[in-house]
Amino acid sequence: AQSVTQPDIHITVSEGASLELRCNYSYGATPYLFWYVQSPGQGLQLLLKYFSGDTLVQGIKGFEAEFKRSQSSFNLRKPSVHWSDAAEYFCAVGDNNAGNMLTFGGGTRLMVKP
Amino acid sequence: ETGVTQSPTHLIKTRGQQVTLRCSSQSGHNTVSWYQQALGQGPQFIFQYYREEENGRGNFPPRFSGLQFPNYSSELNVNALELDDSALYLCASRGGLADTQYFGPGTRLTVL
Repeated sequence: AQSVTQPDIHITVSEGASLELRCNYSYGATPYLFWYVQSPGQGLQLLLKYFSGDTLVQGIKGFEAEFKRSQSSFNLRKPSVHWSDAAEYFCAVGDNNAGNMLTFGGGTRLMVKP
Repeated sequence: ETGVTQSPTHLIKTRGQQVTLRCSSQSGHNTVSWYQQALGQGPQFIFQYYREEENGRGNFPPRFSGLQFPNYSSELNVNALELDDSALYLCASRGGLADTQYFGPGTRLTVL
């Protein structure tokens, strides 16, 4: 069965600092991987996705993620965090690139210090 | 703006009751999925409908059921509510040329 683990429940960074959110997955075949962001009172917004090709994926809002098959990881990064990035971030794995029947991790709550 | 709306925003029910949650998708979105997100957890896949037929289900009992209508709206029905059903219920739809999936803002269900 597929699964996703986000080891960090909470992360606090200073505004302007770099960010890396960890994601590890378990999947039997080639994974389709996603990162979503959820702000209070809002639904999930897709940041980026990976399903083949270049292992470094660029997304919206200046985020990027790197797929490492040998480590079963898909970590999310941003070089300089803005206060508006404070939110809950979810990594997910699906069975196609459209985001079918996603399995989500438990999420990482990001807090940004001024 | 995702074009996916859900109603109601909040709902309070008592144990044993039945509830219907509604989702309205963008025109042309033939696939709708429902997720349950308990407090402090990631969303869990409940089921998916494609052209009014269920074509995928997660690990949820039969008292969770759904309907999808030709006008791109859908429903999630939960019978015999339990306290653990308290959660945020998210609807997601996709379709069209880009086949991009969009999530609605969710319905917060509280079971007392």
